[in-house]
Amino acid sequence: DTAVSQTPKYLVTQMGNDKSIKCEQNLGHDTMYWYKQDSKKFLKIMFSYNNKELIINETVPNRFSPKSPDKAHLNLHINSLELGDSAVYFCASSQGMVSGANVLTFGAGSRLTVL
Amino acid sequence: GNSVTQMEGPVTLSEEAFLTINCTYTATGYPSLFWYVQYPGEGLQLLLKATKADDKGSNKGFEATYRKETTSFHLEKGSVQVSDSAVYFCALSDDTSGTYKYIFGTGTRLKVLA
Repeated sequence: DTAVSQTPKYLVTQMGNDKSIKCEQNLGHDTMYWYKQDSKKFLKIMFSYNNKELIINETVPNRFSPKSPDKAHLNLHINSLELGDSAVYFCASSQGMVSGANVLTFGAGSRLTVL
Repeated sequence: GNSVTQMEGPVTLSEEAFLTINCTYTATGYPSLFWYVQYPGEGLQLLLKATKADDKGSNKGFEATYRKETTSFHLEKGSVQVSDSAVYFCALSDDTSGTYKYIFGTGTRLKVLA
């Protein structure tokens, strides 16, 4: 039983298409995140939800839209894909906004390639 | 703003060598500090953490001490193995902003040769 699972693991698509990545956690955590990792391994926070409420929304193009139907799920929809969106997208979760206990559990990543 | 700086890699060592990966931080408050490890093709996983000054985090033979006076959290291991080959990320959790936002370093790739 994977703690944080994301699908699909690989996604290859054409520029201009719309795609979604899904994430589910079975840890009972209150907070979920999306991170983007570029080809140089640099990791950047995109969004964070706490109990379905958006709490972190970094400077991300509005083509990216997160959706959290419940606290166990956080999906990422990307419109009008561009070449620069090619990256590995990681979902993560944590117990909540508790000082010192904010340990992240990551999914295995979804590699998006835009042609 | 808060930031994390870690040494650039790649770091290449022979098996059983001593490892140090430097990490320094800037923070306005009292962050928690972490080391995460990413094995090839996987997500990041927590290696160790320290939540206050002078705390030492340790796991799987790795250690790091939270040094407030030098704003550092260097990762060390006395004898590395081939299986330690991975990318290591230093990170801080900003506990003062109310969002506990993570700031990650750029990652240091470690390659251990048999």
